[in-house]
Amino acid sequence: GEDVEQSLFLSVREGDSSVINCTYTDSSSTYLYWYKQEPGAGLQLLTYIFSNMDMKQDQRLTVLLNKKDKHLSLRIADTQTGDSAIYFCAEKAGTALIFGKGTTLSVSS
Amino acid sequence: NAGVTQTPKFRILKIGQSMTLQCTQDMNHNYMYWYRQDPGMGLKLIYYSVGAGITDKGEVPNGYNVSRSTTEDFPLRLELAAPSQTSVYFCASRPEGMSTEAFFGQGTRLTVV
Repeated sequence: GEDVEQSLFLSVREGDSSVINCTYTDSSSTYLYWYKQEPGAGLQLLTYIFSNMDMKQDQRLTVLLNKKDKHLSLRIADTQTGDSAIYFCAEKAGTALIFGKGTTLSVSS
Repeated sequence: NAGVTQTPKFRILKIGQSMTLQCTQDMNHNYMYWYRQDPGMGLKLIYYSVGAGITDKGEVPNGYNVSRSTTEDFPLRLELAAPSQTSVYFCASRPEGMSTEAFFGQGTRLTVV
């Protein structure tokens, strides 16, 4: 079945780059997503990538996809304290989204 | 611009009580979902619906029921609350299409004591 794995915590200093990694198991996934959850709030879509792409850049965000290894990463350049949140990787499985456990990003000044 | 609205925001239930978590969306989305979020466990899909009158089980449906009589509303019913159902519940919706974004409600924090 589908399973999405992420490391649980990442701590960086303000101004550094953050890289959050994710592995997924369903090779038929056509879209992969990154969602952000701030404390006490729901999830908001940050970005997504189609499975025939290797990379997608959107301002400070860079998504890399290695389809052979089923590995997805999210790089946040010039990380700010406002980036502190939980980041979820998700893959589309049929009509539903399957989420990873989430990576808590802590940014210190 | 309401989006996805969940009520209530917080609720404490006693073991064995029942309740309905409400979810409504005003975006005319066909697809709606209920997830539960437990610390360190990510989001688990409880039930989903691809349109009015159609519902299907997700990964963790036991102890829950849903209905979808209209496009807008997707209530989640707990019949006999158990401590294991203490969680944060999120409703989400999205339109049809491959790359479409799912929109989430603010969540309902439920405690069963």
